[in-house]
Amino acid sequence: GAGVSQSPRYKVAKRGQDVALRCDPISGHVSLFWYQQALGQGPEFLTYFQNEAQLDKSGLPSDRFFAERPEGSVSTLKIQRTQQEDSAVYLCASRSPGQWSEQFFGPGTRLTVL
Amino acid sequence: QQQVKQSPQSLIVQKGGIPIINCAYENTAFDYFPWYQQFPGKGPALLIAIRPDVSEKKEGRFTISFNKSAKQFSLHIMDSQPGDSATYFCAALQGGSEKLVFGKGTKLTVNP
Repeated sequence: GAGVSQSPRYKVAKRGQDVALRCDPISGHVSLFWYQQALGQGPEFLTYFQNEAQLDKSGLPSDRFFAERPEGSVSTLKIQRTQQEDSAVYLCASRSPGQWSEQFFGPGTRLTVL
Repeated sequence: QQQVKQSPQSLIVQKGGIPIINCAYENTAFDYFPWYQQFPGKGPALLIAIRPDVSEKKEGRFTISFNKSAKQFSLHIMDSQPGDSATYFCAALQGGSEKLVFGKGTKLTVNP
């Protein structure tokens, strides 16, 4: 079966542009997570969905960041008016129900803001 | 404030050596401690995880040692191989939360 997929794999944006990053979780996984990984750093939590409900968005760095999962499957992370400090790899992860179930990560989208 | 402190930042060993990566935490509410392995251009993948009710867990060549009183845990890789060359992250999760907190990572190089 397919793992978590993300698209695009690479995105170059000019400062001030809006971008949309897509995540396709593993089929049947109700929980979905977004992380931001700066170069040489560990992933940092951005937001969490259970089905279509966004239960925690405490990690979103500013109101320019917005995530949605309208049908409880595919998720989109949108960044408005991109800034250079937004350059990072954005990772998506999903997991099946169960308290200790594993989070499976996608390959990430590398965003470069010029 | 960094919630999980990981060291060393980088580590070089010879094939067959036993690299050890250490992590420390402050939040006593953390109750799940996974280790992830990440290769360049890939997402992190779960290697092994431990809960604080045990002091050690082994899976194949990977061992987690956990010291609850010291709030420290470590990853040991037995008989390391060049294919183990990757970046390793420790992480922690608080009960009732879904927010995994990662360390900054250790870049491991295993020379042939």
